[in-house]
Amino acid sequence: DAKTTQPTSMDCAEGRAANLPCNHSTISGNEYVYWYRQIHSQGPQYIIHGLKNNETNEMASLIITEDRKSSTLILPHATLRDTAVYYCIGREFGGADGLTFGKGTHLIIQP
Amino acid sequence: GAVVSQHPSRVICKSGTSVKIECRSLDFQATTMFWYRQFPKKSLMLMATSNEGSKATYEQGVEKDKFLINHASLTLSTLTVTSAHPEDSSFYICSARAGQLKSEQFFGPGTRLTVL
Repeated sequence: DAKTTQPTSMDCAEGRAANLPCNHSTISGNEYVYWYRQIHSQGPQYIIHGLKNNETNEMASLIITEDRKSSTLILPHATLRDTAVYYCIGREFGGADGLTFGKGTHLIIQP
Repeated sequence: GAVVSQHPSRVICKSGTSVKIECRSLDFQATTMFWYRQFPKKSLMLMATSNEGSKATYEQGVEKDKFLINHASLTLSTLTVTSAHPEDSSFYICSARAGQLKSEQFFGPGTRLTVL
């Protein structure tokens, strides 16, 4: 899996958009960017993934720079339940291996 | 869809005993399941990869004789922690992959093991 770098922690006000950055400057051409999150004492939850186009689903949007060296996960209207550790992972689509989790970003939504 | 369950959610056992943790994919067939371990304030660490009908592949440093993995069906994998010791106390999480055409993994809720 590609090496990724994320800020250790971030705060965001409830109701505002939460923008979580991820650097993956060494990502290879066939590696996708995946985002997962882990709420305290729960298993990780898949959020979204993308290759080079921006992606959006019911949970979030993923903006990937044209050079693919970085991306941003956007939670459009953060709620208190979005407080979690967010992991950015670069890996091949359909990769048969387990995931390599970094330290992630601890996002704290403030009321 | 894509729900993964684990049982039990929490277990406390005495040192020296064995503990079995079940991981089930409830609404899909999982060709591959993964087991992770997470210590407090740390990230998840992959322990082993389990393919249905074949032997599990363990990560470096994970003792295969201590952490027995069985993946007898496409919906069930079990992890048995044998002769558990206090240092095995951790949060054990499984994930399942639906098949070669599916890229994302779906995680179970985790099992909190405490060894006294």
